[in-house]
This record gives sequence, structure tokens and C-alpha cells, in this order.
Amino acid sequence: DQQVKQNSPSLSVQEGRISILNCDYTNSMFDYFLWYKKYPAEGPTFLISISSIKDKNEDGRFTVFLNKSAKHLSLHIVPSQPGDSAVYFCAASTRLANTGNQFYFGTGTSLTVIP
Amino acid sequence: EPEVTQTPSHQVTQMGQEVILRCVPISNHLYFYWYRQILGQKVEFLVSFYNNEISEKSEIFDDQFSVERPDGSNFTLKIRSTKLEDSAMYFCASSPLQRTNTGELFFGEGSRLTVL
Repeated sequence: DQQVKQNSPSLSVQEGRISILNCDYTNSMFDYFLWYKKYPAEGPTFLISISSIKDKNEDGRFTVFLNKSAKHLSLHIVPSQPGDSAVYFCAASTRLANTGNQFYFGTGTSLTVIP
Repeated sequence: EPEVTQTPSHQVTQMGQEVILRCVPISNHLYFYWYRQILGQKVEFLVSFYNNEISEKSEIFDDQFSVERPDGSNFTLKIRSTKLEDSAMYFCASSPLQRTNTGELFFGEGSRLTVL
């Protein structure tokens, strides 16, 4: 049962343009959403997150939007740079008391920013 | 900057053999996790560990898997009798006790396991 879905396996964008990566989820109990970035031969690294009480969080060139009614979130990168080329994973969590986090990841979207 | 380290980076083993993957989490973190990613598929949760015991595990984490924190620094994942389908990248992760403002996990670079 895939609770977090990234339906676009890949995306190509010209340098300087906006990259929009999408993610859908099914579990209404998720209360935290994150985006991770992964380069080849490296572990995922945290990029940006958003709590379910917000609908937008911005950090420099990266903005995450959350639409709870649609169970949809997106990551906007503007302007896109060649160094942004990586696999981006969407993740969601339900915080259970005293048990730590359990993150559910999507399958990832491979972003290529063309110089 | 503190980081999660994993060894080995790549291990090749024969089906049926035991494998131990090692992780050194960030020193002041208290929650530890193992995830895996089969080539071309999503990153999957295996197990979380807190206060010297498993706090949650997924269906993947069957009796062939075990985790241990044998000393104050290492966190290990043991696969007792490997199967071909255990071939994957295994990621260790850790997080602090307190909920951080961002809630992120800190991942190691992964250990690639190839079962022949």
C-alpha cells in the first residue's frame, strides 16, 4: 500500500526556469511532510518540510505547498540551477508519542536541470 | 558537521549467508532507523529503535532481520540468511529525542548489499 505517491518519475527543466515536483498522499493522519534530495551514491538529505497546520513554507529558492483537502503537496524550485539535478523524495510522517518518527517515502522524481 | 556513517559501503554475499551492516548515528541522537531502497523503487521503512528496543517495524522486517546497539555508538542491522530479494541500498538514519523544528531524519550514505 503506497501511502505517498510521486507520479512523475522524471522531470527536465531549463536552467533559470521553475521546477515543480508533485506528491500525493492517502493517509489523512500524516501531520508532517518533507522533501529530501538525493545525489547518486549518497544518502537522502533533508531539504524542506511543512507541518499540516500550514499551507506554505519557503526557504530561499525552495517553496513547499500543502493542499490538505486534495492530499497534495508540491515543491517549487525557482530559479532552477544545474546543481539541483538530483532525485527528490517526498516523505510524510505521523508522529506517534514515544515511538519516534516513521517516514513514508514516495518513489522519487529525478530532476534534470539543463544548462 | 556531525554525520551518520555506515559501513561497509558495498557488500557482496552469497544467498543464505549472514550479513551485518553497521551504522554510527549522530552522537546526541536517540532515535535510530533502518530504511532500504531496492533499485528503482521507493525508500522503505524497516525498523525504528529507541531506548534499546524496537519501537516500530514494518512487514519487511521479518524474523530474518534483527537490530542491535551493542555499545554506545554502533547500531547494527543483521540479516540472518540473505535472499536474492534482500539486494538493496540500506540506509541508516537518526534523529534527536526532541521533535526538531523541521522533523528531519539524518541519513547515512547507505550500504549497498548485493546477494548472489
